[in-house]
Amino acid sequence: KAGVTQTPRYLIKTRGQQVTLSCSPISGHRSVSWYQQTPGQGLQFLFEYFSETQRNKGNFPGRFSGRQFSNSRSEMNVSTLELGDSALYLCASSLGLAGAASQETQYFGPGTRLLVL
Amino acid sequence: TQLLEQSPQFLSIQEGENLTVYCNSSSVFSSLQWYRQEPGEGPVLLVTVVTGGEVKKLKRLTFQFGDARKDSSLHITAAQPGDTGLYLCAGAKSGNTPLVFGKGTRLSVIA
Repeated sequence: KAGVTQTPRYLIKTRGQQVTLSCSPISGHRSVSWYQQTPGQGLQFLFEYFSETQRNKGNFPGRFSGRQFSNSRSEMNVSTLELGDSALYLCASSLGLAGAASQETQYFGPGTRLLVL
Repeated sequence: TQLLEQSPQFLSIQEGENLTVYCNSSSVFSSLQWYRQEPGEGPVLLVTVVTGGEVKKLKRLTFQFGDARKDSSLHITAAQPGDTGLYLCAGAKSGNTPLVFGKGTRLSVIA
C-alpha cells in the first residue's frame, strides 16, 4: 500500500506570495492532519480534516487554511507569506479522527520544505 | 511554554553504548507516543503507551510511561548507527484534542 505523498517536496517563495501544498493520504484513510515543523518550535498542529470538514484547528493565524476533497486528498494554503513561515510542512493520515480518544495511528508523509526569502 | 519537554536536546554516543532520553510534562496525558524521524522523512510511530507504569519493549528499545502519566522515557540498549535520528514524544490529552509534540532529542550514534 502506498504511503502518504506530499507535493512539492521543496519550494522557495518570497515574502508576500502565497503557496499551496498538497497531500495524498494512504488509500482508505479519511483523516488528514497538517503540522508545521521548525527547529525552534518543533512540530506544531495546524488543522485536521475528516470527511471534507475541518475537525480541529491549531493556534495559527488565518493566513493558514486548508481543505479536503471527496477523495480525502488535502491541500493547505498559506497566504501573504512571512519569513517565519519557512518550515517543513508535514501531513499525516489516519483511518479515523486522530484525536486523543481514538488513538488512531497517524502515518506521516515526507513533508514539503518551504523556504521564504 | 512547551507542554512536553524532551531531554537531552542532543546526544552523540558511540556504537554499543546505552542511553536514555526523557519526555516530561506537568500535565497528565491519556496516552503518549514515541516517534523516530530520519532526515528527509516524516516521523514514524514506534510505540504508544496508555497505562501509567506501562513498559513496552521493541527489540533494543524500552519505553516506559510514568505512573502518573505525566512523563515517559525511552531506553536504547547497545545503540547502533541505524538508531540515529530525531526522537519525538507526543501526548494525547483527552477527547478530540490533537497530539502535542515535544521538540525532540536528536541522537547520533557513531560507528
